[in-house]
Amino acid sequence: AQSVTQLGSHVSVSEGALVLLRCNYSSSVPPYLFWYVQYPNQGLQLLLKYTSAATLVKGINGFEAEFKKSETSFHLTKPSAHMSDAAEYFCAVSKETSYDKVIFGPGTSLSVIP
Amino acid sequence: DGGITQSPKYLFRKEGQNVTLSCEQNLNHDAMYWYRQDPGQGLRLIYYSQIVNDFQKGDIAEGYSVSREKKESFPLTVTSAQKNPTAFYLCASSLGSNTDTQYFGPGTRLTVL
Repeated sequence: AQSVTQLGSHVSVSEGALVLLRCNYSSSVPPYLFWYVQYPNQGLQLLLKYTSAATLVKGINGFEAEFKKSETSFHLTKPSAHMSDAAEYFCAVSKETSYDKVIFGPGTSLSVIP
Repeated sequence: DGGITQSPKYLFRKEGQNVTLSCEQNLNHDAMYWYRQDPGQGLRLIYYSQIVNDFQKGDIAEGYSVSREKKESFPLTVTSAQKNPTAFYLCASSLGSNTDTQYFGPGTRLTVL
């Protein structure tokens, strides 16, 4: 069965500092991996998606994530945090079979300190 | 503009009442989903539908019901059998495969009084 863990339910960074949000997955076959962002009282929107085309995936708003098969990780990074990055971030995994659902991680809340 | 709409944004319900949450999409997506979000628990799948007139239970379907009579619409009814319905409900849609991006609506916050 697939699963997703996100280390750290809450992460605080200073404005301008590196953002690193961790995601580890388990999957018996090559996975599809997603990062979504949720701003307060809103729905989720896609930041980026890994589909095996390239291990380093660039997304919107300056975020990127690197797929590391040996570590079963898909950590999200951004070189310099902005105040507007404060939100909840969800990692998700799926695989290309008709009967499996997308599995979302528990989320990491990012705070940006001025 | 294409997208997903959910209504109402806020909903209050008395105990013992059924309520229906609306979800409409104009993205021409085949698949639609309902999630429940509670603080610190991420998203839990309630029901999903991959095609009109067909739907499947998710992980927490008890106390909920859905219909999918039209491609654009996937309403969720929270019945009186749901013991703890206060939560944030999110509807999503996708082209149809589990590997497709899901597009989310703005959510409905349900509070039971």
